[in-house]
Amino acid sequence: QVQLVESGGGVVQPGRSLRLSCAASGFTFSRYVMQWVRQAPGKGLEWVAELWYDGNNQHYADSVKGRFTVSRDTSKNTLYLQMNSLRAEDTAVYYCARGGVATRHYGMDVWGQGTTVTVSS
Amino acid sequence: DIQMTQSPSSLSASVGDRVTITCRASQSTNNYLNWYQQKAGKAPKLLIYAASSLQSGVPSRFSGSGSGTDFTLTINSLQPEDFATYYCQQSYTTPQTFGQGTKVEIK
Repeated sequence: QVQLVESGGGVVQPGRSLRLSCAASGFTFSRYVMQWVRQAPGKGLEWVAELWYDGNNQHYADSVKGRFTVSRDTSKNTLYLQMNSLRAEDTAVYYCARGGVATRHYGMDVWGQGTTVTVSS
Repeated sequence: DIQMTQSPSSLSASVGDRVTITCRASQSTNNYLNWYQQKAGKAPKLLIYAASSLQSGVPSRFSGSGSGTDFTLTINSLQPEDFATYYCQQSYTTPQTFGQGTKVEIK
């Protein structure tokens, strides 16, 4: 079945790095626009990053631009989020989500279970 | 950036009620407006995409309407499993943005 499974979360000190992974299965991963969305404790949803279906275009929220990088390995059907220079305000549950085939316009129809990142000294 | 404003922030309703949540965008989203349901501790679930299209598998008591900058999510005959937080989201342009959420609670 269509599934996304995130991993890689944990507790990290401010200024350090962490890489999240999102393993995709049950669909042709390389055809889809993929998203990262986060949710700070007790807060709403915040879009973080997007990787275009061709793997060549990425877009980021201003809050993470220059610090986070989204990428993928199509041979492993895995999406990544490299997070550098982490701050306390990056503490959140991070979700990967599937966009559309070659489009972002029609919402995120498949979500992972989320992985928790805590930035604390 | 397109700002999304939902109202109300929370509401109390009874099983069987009709519930309406509104979402206003700071500029046109070209109707690329989606609605999600999120239950505590769970990932969001897509309910409505492109303002009024029902996602596969979602009960027909959920419906979306609106265009331009003003949109509405309606739940007809609220069911016990519908008590959750609802978010609107524009996917017209990046940065994609969400509303602040509307929590639907049991009266």
